[in-house]
Order: sequence, then C-alpha cells, then structure tokens
Amino acid sequence: EAGVTQSPTHLIKTRGQQATLRCSPISGHTSVYWYQQALGLGLQFLLWYDEGEERNRGNFPPRFSGRQFPNYSSELNVNALELEDSALYLCASSLGGQGAGELFFGEGSRLTVL
Amino acid sequence: EDQVTQSPEALRLQEGESSSLNCSYTVSGLRGLFWYRQDPGKGPEFLFTLYSAGEEKEKERLKATLTKKESFLHITAPKPEDSATYLCAGAAGGYNKLIFGAGTRLAVHP
Repeated sequence: EAGVTQSPTHLIKTRGQQATLRCSPISGHTSVYWYQQALGLGLQFLLWYDEGEERNRGNFPPRFSGRQFPNYSSELNVNALELEDSALYLCASSLGGQGAGELFFGEGSRLTVL
Repeated sequence: EDQVTQSPEALRLQEGESSSLNCSYTVSGLRGLFWYRQDPGKGPEFLFTLYSAGEEKEKERLKATLTKKESFLHITAPKPEDSATYLCAGAAGGYNKLIFGAGTRLAVHP
C-alpha cells in the first residue's frame, strides 16, 4: 500500500514569491494535515482538511492557505514568501472525522527561501 | 498556553545501555499523548498513544508511560538501529491538532 506522497521534495524560491506544495494521502484516508518543521523547532500545526473542507488552522498568517480536492489530495500555498518560511513541510493523513492522533506522515517538502 | 517540552535535547548511549526520554506537558484537556520516531530525511512514524495516567504501552525495546504531568519513553538495551529523533505530542481538545515537542535526538553507538 502506498504511503503519503509529497511533491516536490525540494523547492527553492526567493522572497516575495509563491510556493505550492502537494500531498496525496493514503488510499481511504479523508483527513489531511499540514505541519511546518523549522530547523531546531518542533512540528507546528498548520492546517487540517477533512472531506474537502478546512476544519482547523494553526497560528499562521493568512498567506498560508490550501485546499483539499475531491480525491482527498491536498495543496499548500504559501504566498509572499519570507526567509523564515524556510522549513520542512510535512503532510500527514488519517482516517476521516477527528482522526485519532495516529498520523501517517509523508517524507516532506523542503522549502528554501533565499 | 499549551506546551510540550522534551528532554534531553540529545542523548548518546552505548549499545545495551538503557535510558529514558522525558516529555513534560501542559496541555489543557489533554485527549492523548503520542510518541513518534523520526529518522533523518523522513517523516515521523507513529509509535504509541497513551490516554490516561498510569497507562503503559510497549513495542520491542520501547516502553512508554504516562503520568498527569509527564510521559517517559524507556529504551531497554538499545541497538544502533534505535538511533533517531523521538517526538512527543499532545492532543488538545480534538485529535486534529497535535502539539509537538522539539524532540530528543538519540544516538546509539556499538
């Protein structure tokens, strides 16, 4: 069974540009989560999507946004990139509804902002 | 403010030398305490969920325990393949928003 897949693996952008990251959940999982892992920091919760709707978001500015498609895949968009947005962005999926904390993570997309 | 703190930041052990990792939490309405393992260049991998004080879970050389303020991950007779970063997370309110600690980097040397 395929795990959570993320693309691209690495992405280099300059300040002010926009970045788009993509995630495909495990088949049968309807919830998708996005976390940011900056160097030396713990994972910070960004967004939770379930059944195509944004259900919760973390303490991040509105320039972090995303969506979930009918096939449950998801996209994270970061507008007006800032240097501090450089981080590993992890996508995770779980069974639908509230999930149960048992998240299945992808290997992440490393975003570097120059 | 909800917070999860892990200690030590890094731990170096000899193969076979047992030890414990600590996770202290201040999470209002804690619904569950989770342990994950993260290898370099990989996403975290789920290990355990603990729901109430006094609960214990075991998997191979790992045992996780939970009190009202802390969780411990005990590693018995570790092997080099146990080297990884171990992450602790608390679920506040719902399970959809986990609050992660910064992790403990464990290195086990032969």
